[in-house]
Order: sequence, then structure tokens, then C-alpha cells
Amino acid sequence: AQKVTQAQTEISVVEKEDVTLDCVYETRDTTYYLFWYKQPPSGELVFLIRRNSFDEQNEISGRYSWNFQKSTSSFNFTITASQVVDSAVYFCALSEANFGNEKLTFGTGTRLTIIP
Amino acid sequence: DSGVTQTPKHLITATGQRVTLRCSPRSGDLSVYWYQQSLDQGLQFLIQYYNGEERAKGNILERFSAQQFPDLHSELNLSSLELGDSALYFCASSVETSGSSQYFGPGTRLTVL
Repeated sequence: AQKVTQAQTEISVVEKEDVTLDCVYETRDTTYYLFWYKQPPSGELVFLIRRNSFDEQNEISGRYSWNFQKSTSSFNFTITASQVVDSAVYFCALSEANFGNEKLTFGTGTRLTIIP
Repeated sequence: DSGVTQTPKHLITATGQRVTLRCSPRSGDLSVYWYQQSLDQGLQFLIQYYNGEERAKGNILERFSAQQFPDLHSELNLSSLELGDSALYFCASSVETSGSSQYFGPGTRLTVL
């Protein structure tokens, strides 16, 4: 069975600090996909990134970067120079590539608060 | 704006009642997923449809049912509502199925009194 663990329930940092959100996953499949979503206070779920299991290259998008390490089954998310608008709950999710099993399995989320 | 629409945004009803939540996927997306977000259960997958056919079922109660219509919009029907059904219900859509990015609608917040 697939599982996603986000051990950090809540994190608070002062604006402009860097922050890393941890995500550890479990799956028996060799082909799978990892995602990050942002849920701001308004409640919607905003797609941030998708990574497949064969691509371990780190990705950077502006102030956001992601570190995928298969050896440790981790897919961590770093925000550089954090801003108040980054305050949200962030979810890591896993999807397997089997027919009929493409659902997203979510972690419990990390609530990030950026203090001005 | 993800391009996925959900109506209504808020729904308040009483125990024992029946409600219908509606979702329109992004243009071109064939796959629709329903998820429930509650404080105690987190984000849980309910059911998936692909081009009108049921594809997968998750932790969906027997009191709940869904369908996807020929125009690809989907409806989630919740009946014999209980207090514990109060939650945020999300619809998501994707182009295909395996590994495609899922884009979420704004959600329907259901309150059962």
C-alpha cells in the first residue's frame, strides 16, 4: 500500500528565512509520481509540481525548489526567502501508475506560517 | 484558477437529507476524481471516473454515489446525511489517468446540522 508521511505538522519562520518541508513516501511500485499542493487560507488546492520516479533531477521554480531522493524515499520542498503569501498548508502526494490506482494519496500536510 | 468548477460553494443541510455536488472538469480532461477533506480523516480519495466510466473506488460510503455524464461533468450524491459527513469535497480533473497532474476545483463545503 502507498503512504505519504509529512512529519512536520506546523512550522513558523520569520519572513525572508528559508524553510524546508519534508515528505517521505512508501510504495512497492517502481513507477510512481510525486506531487506538491498548496492550500492557502481560502481553501483551494493549488498544484505546484509533479515528478515521476525516473527523474531524480532537482527542480527550481523561482523561490521554490524540490529535492527528490529515491535512496531515502523523500521529496522535500524548500522555499527560499519566504514571504507572507507563502503561508498555507502544503500537501505532498503520491500516485501509482497502475490501472485503476491513479488516485492521489496525500500526507497529512504541513501548516507553514510566515511571520512578518 | 485551475479551470475546474464546482457548485455550490457552500451547502448547509440537515441530517437525513440528500444533496448533489456538481463538478465541471477542465476543457479536454477526461478523468474526474472526488476527494473528501475532513479534520479527522485528512484528504481522502472517494471515486474516479474516466470518460463516463467508473475507474476506481476509494473510501466511499454506500450512502454516496457519483456519475460522469456524456459532457464529462460529474455529480456526487450524498444521501442520509450524518453530522460526520460535514467536510470539504473536492473535485479534480486530469487529461489522462496514469500519472497526470490533477487540478482541483475550489471545493464545496458541506455542513450537516
